[in-house]
Amino acid sequence: EVQLLESGGGLVQPGGSPRLSCAASGFPFSNYAMSWVRQAPGKGLEWVSAISGSGDSTYYADSVKGRFTISRDNSKNTLFLQMNSLRAEDSAVYYCAKCGGGSCYHAFDYWGQGTLVTVSS
Amino acid sequence: DIVMTQSPDSLAVSLGERATINCKSSQSVLYSSNNKNHLGWYQQKPGQPPKLLIYWASTRESGVPDRFSGSGSGTDFTLTISSLQAEDVAVYYCHQYYSLPYTFGQGTRLDIK
Repeated sequence: EVQLLESGGGLVQPGGSPRLSCAASGFPFSNYAMSWVRQAPGKGLEWVSAISGSGDSTYYADSVKGRFTISRDNSKNTLFLQMNSLRAEDSAVYYCAKCGGGSCYHAFDYWGQGTLVTVSS
Repeated sequence: DIVMTQSPDSLAVSLGERATINCKSSQSVLYSSNNKNHLGWYQQKPGQPPKLLIYWASTRESGVPDRFSGSGSGTDFTLTISSLQAEDVAVYYCHQYYSLPYTFGQGTRLDIK
């Protein structure tokens, strides 16, 4: 059974730098690209970032480019999102999502339960 | 960026009746090299993550009831629930994975009439 478990969210001050983690199990982690998708309270879904199975290729939404860094540790089946220079508009539930293939030119077939990041002083 | 526009924003359908949600992309999401539409549909219930229902515009994900179907090609797509059940109350999103940045529709809220 595929499982994705995010952690690392919480209350963060503006300008803060939390790191989100997503522990994956139930599938050959390194064979699949992964993404982060966020959802502000009461709002829709926004794709944030993606990474290839090997970790060699990374992609970002313009809204986070230069501030967020996606990475993965295939030896530990874990996906990360390093978030820097946080703003109030970054407040959201952050979901880890498995892409349906070696790239994210596939639908997101499994999602974690999400971790809430609240940016506030 | 490809803009995904869903219609309607919300709808209410009687139990057992058909529900139809539309999604229009600002450019074609049909990839010529594989002849597939890079379009997915998700269901999100309150307090839960999205769940994949349909991929490649019309392929039902394993375990999804067959009352859910997807159709369309190019820029115009439809999610149909043939006979609405109480457990189908949710927000539905379309998603293009044709080009970066991947984008979602704004969501359609489905309720029981």
